[in-house]
Amino acid sequence: ETGVTQSPTHLIKTRGQQVTLRCSSQSGHNTVSWYQQALGQGPQFIFQYYREEENGRGNFPPRFSGLQFPNYSSELNVNALELDDSALYLCASSGERGGETQYFGPGTRLLVL
Amino acid sequence: SQQGEEDPQALSIQEGENATMNCSYKTSINNLQWYRQNSGRGLVHLILIRSNEREKHSGRLRVTLDTSKKSSSLLITASRAADTASYFCAKIQGAQKLVFGQGTRLTINP
Repeated sequence: ETGVTQSPTHLIKTRGQQVTLRCSSQSGHNTVSWYQQALGQGPQFIFQYYREEENGRGNFPPRFSGLQFPNYSSELNVNALELDDSALYLCASSGERGGETQYFGPGTRLLVL
Repeated sequence: SQQGEEDPQALSIQEGENATMNCSYKTSINNLQWYRQNSGRGLVHLILIRSNEREKHSGRLRVTLDTSKKSSSLLITASRAADTASYFCAKIQGAQKLVFGQGTRLTINP
């Protein structure tokens, strides 16, 4: 167990809806990264938050947005859901900005119908 | 796009045998990391090897790195059923993101 928790574990939404996923980082970690993993693929970097500021973003459209709170927990918001957004969403925390080792939560599996 | 490429994409061996997975990458690295993922769940960090290291061990795991060939390998010795999982290599790009390959799906048959 890494100490990183995510909620919910599973979620079903319909196209066009909005979703919020949550992540609590490991104690002592101030950096949270979010990844999208489609079935049979490796995780793809969405963005990273360091001390409540966005610290890098991957090739994802603006309808993917995030927040980090003073306790370093984080949210991933996706607006106007599309079928291709169906994936496992992984949150990872690390101790330093762009830390070398990232500790992953169990993920949230999102299905968009 | 994904930087690393694992080879093979799938590997099936008998319990007790050794499993070797390879990873190639395109640009220079500071370090390379290996992760394990069980049944579509979260990733577990296995080993980090730095660019100035050639080999690293952790229990039954051995990782090698050849920066001249831009490749790394993960060896699991004396495999067990619990080793059944997907294995990913990843490099840090910039100071921010891990870039993963597509992974090797390892199946250990009893």
